[in-house]
Amino acid sequence: AQSVAQPEDQVNVAEGNPLTVKCTYSVSGNPYLFWYVQYPNRGLQFLLKYITGDNLVKGSYGFEAEFNKSQTSFHLKKPSALVSDSALYFCAVRDRAGGSYIPTFGRGTSLIVHP
Amino acid sequence: GAGVSQSPRYKVAKRGQDVALRCDPISGHVSLFWYQQALGQGPEFLTYFQNEAQLDKSGLPSDRFFAERPEGSVSTLKIQRTQQEDSAVYLCASRLAGDGEQFFGPGTRLTVL
Repeated sequence: AQSVAQPEDQVNVAEGNPLTVKCTYSVSGNPYLFWYVQYPNRGLQFLLKYITGDNLVKGSYGFEAEFNKSQTSFHLKKPSALVSDSALYFCAVRDRAGGSYIPTFGRGTSLIVHP
Repeated sequence: GAGVSQSPRYKVAKRGQDVALRCDPISGHVSLFWYQQALGQGPEFLTYFQNEAQLDKSGLPSDRFFAERPEGSVSTLKIQRTQQEDSAVYLCASRLAGDGEQFFGPGTRLTVL
């Protein structure tokens, strides 16, 4: 079975400060990991993914995420937050074991960047 | 545009009515997914197609929900005899390859009165 947890419903950060949105996962085998962002009344938009290789993954809009196998985490980070980063962020996991085609999404974390 | 499109964007139905939601995936994308997203929640899986084959429908909440993709491109999610608990945003996503990311449509917001 695969599962993902986003322990924070909301993250508040001041513009210009670094931000972190947390994600932990559980899989039987090795994971595929994804981050998506959702703006109001829009669908989810892909930010970045970890498939294999370097643990630090760089994505769109200056976001990056670090895959940590020992801590089963894939936290999303950005060195300097912008007000326009305010949105809902979703982490997703897919277990390579068992040939699952379907990712499981977290509940989402609302990021609010204050001017 | 070349993205995933969904129609209608908004649908209001009276309880007991049937509705049909359409998804146009990105051309050439083999995989197509339907999700249900309740307010303040993440997407919950409903069903998955690979080309025209429905490989997984384990997430469909009841036999009132039916999905098809007869020619391996456009897909329709049908909900019969809608209930108030069916009110949600229904998201469609497509994917080119097995390892890749999903591309989501803007969703259809269904409100059942």
